[in-house]
Amino acid sequence: DQQVKQNSPSLSVQEGRISILNCDYTNSMFDYFLWYKKYPAEGPTFLISISSIKDKNEDGRFTVFLNKSAKHLSLHIVPSQPGDSAVYFCSSQASGTYKYIFGTGTRLKVLA
Amino acid sequence: NAGVTQTPKFRILKIGQSMTLQCTQDMNHNYMYWYRQDPGMGLKLIYYSVGAGITDKGEVPNGYNVSRSTTEDFPLRLELAAPSQTSVYFCASSLQGSSGEQFFGPGTRLTVL
Repeated sequence: DQQVKQNSPSLSVQEGRISILNCDYTNSMFDYFLWYKKYPAEGPTFLISISSIKDKNEDGRFTVFLNKSAKHLSLHIVPSQPGDSAVYFCSSQASGTYKYIFGTGTRLKVLA
Repeated sequence: NAGVTQTPKFRILKIGQSMTLQCTQDMNHNYMYWYRQDPGMGLKLIYYSVGAGITDKGEVPNGYNVSRSTTEDFPLRLELAAPSQTSVYFCASSLQGSSGEQFFGPGTRLTVL
């Protein structure tokens, strides 16, 4: 039962262009969403988050969009840089719980 | 601040052996978590703790035990290691239990042969 799905295992984008990473969830009780970035042989690091009361959150080159009716969120990276090449995990939390559910990740490769 | 530290970095165990994965954080976070990541998969929650003396099961707790005697430390114990426990283990902590980011350690790569 995969409550958080990242259906694209990998994505390649040219440097300077936009990267769009997608995440779908099934649990309507999820009300907080986060994106993490992970380099090989390191732990994930927090990138950006969004609460269900918003539909957009922006931090520099990173923007997260939330479509609650579609149970879909996306991470936009503009412009993409070679250093953004990593695995990106989407994570969700249901209201009233301390548990975070992670997707399987999308490997982003930014080509110079 | 060292953040979240984990030891060891790598370990090979034989089937049936036991070991403890250590996790320490110096950020005075009440909330701590243990995850495992299998190849090509996301992170699965094993156990979590909301404070010293309080722990609870996550999605995949079988074969593991935890304790939380101090705010800083959250060791994960594997009893009777099995090949299915071959994975990368991540410890994390957070200041808030909900609506907050987690800080992860660098991971422990465990192989059970």
